[in-house]
Amino acid sequence: GENVEQHPSTLSVQEGDSAVIKCTHSDSASNYFPWYKQELGKRPQLIIDIRSNVGEKKDQRIAVTLNKTAKHFSLHITETQPEDSAVYFCAASFWTNTGNQFYFGTGTSLTVIP
Amino acid sequence: GAVVSQHPSRVICKSGTSVKIECRSLDFQATTMFWYRQFPKQSLMLMATSNEGSKATYEQGVEKDKFLINHASLTLSTLTVTSAHPEDSSFYICSARDREGTGELFFGEGSRLTVL
Repeated sequence: GENVEQHPSTLSVQEGDSAVIKCTHSDSASNYFPWYKQELGKRPQLIIDIRSNVGEKKDQRIAVTLNKTAKHFSLHITETQPEDSAVYFCAASFWTNTGNQFYFGTGTSLTVIP
Repeated sequence: GAVVSQHPSRVICKSGTSVKIECRSLDFQATTMFWYRQFPKQSLMLMATSNEGSKATYEQGVEKDKFLINHASLTLSTLTVTSAHPEDSSFYICSARDREGTGELFFGEGSRLTVL
């Protein structure tokens, strides 16, 4: 099955700096890689995702890169703000029209220091 | 986006009792729902995949007789923690994938279970 590793487990940055979170996965069949943000006591929310036929995707201050061959994918947050503080999870999934499972990384607790 | 509602958000029960948690997709049909368990400051651990009209698929190490899952309709899955013990205390989250959608996973609000 799929195994997703995520680093670092905790990350502190100064407001305005960039934050990078990295994940690796093991199953080459995985073709969908979402990133979720979870604030304390709340549900995870999708913030960005990328499919295996794309190498990079950007949405305002958030970007995700994917190295399909190396099975690496990363989340980049620029110009960080205190409200970016949360736990971030990467996930890998083999998506088809009939169904799929999502395998999550261990999470990164991001703290943005004002 | 699609909405998944989970109920109750918090429940406290005595050891030995059973607790049922509901997960509903409010504006879409979900043939598959997932149940996760999350310990403080840890990741989402997949417990089981709930399939509408058939038996759930449990992950290795998850007791199917302990965590009963029923997916009776395209919009409702339930997780029953039977004969709960203090070690079952945790945050349980369900999620669902829109049957007609793009594959995005939508999460419920989560249920905080405390077993005394």
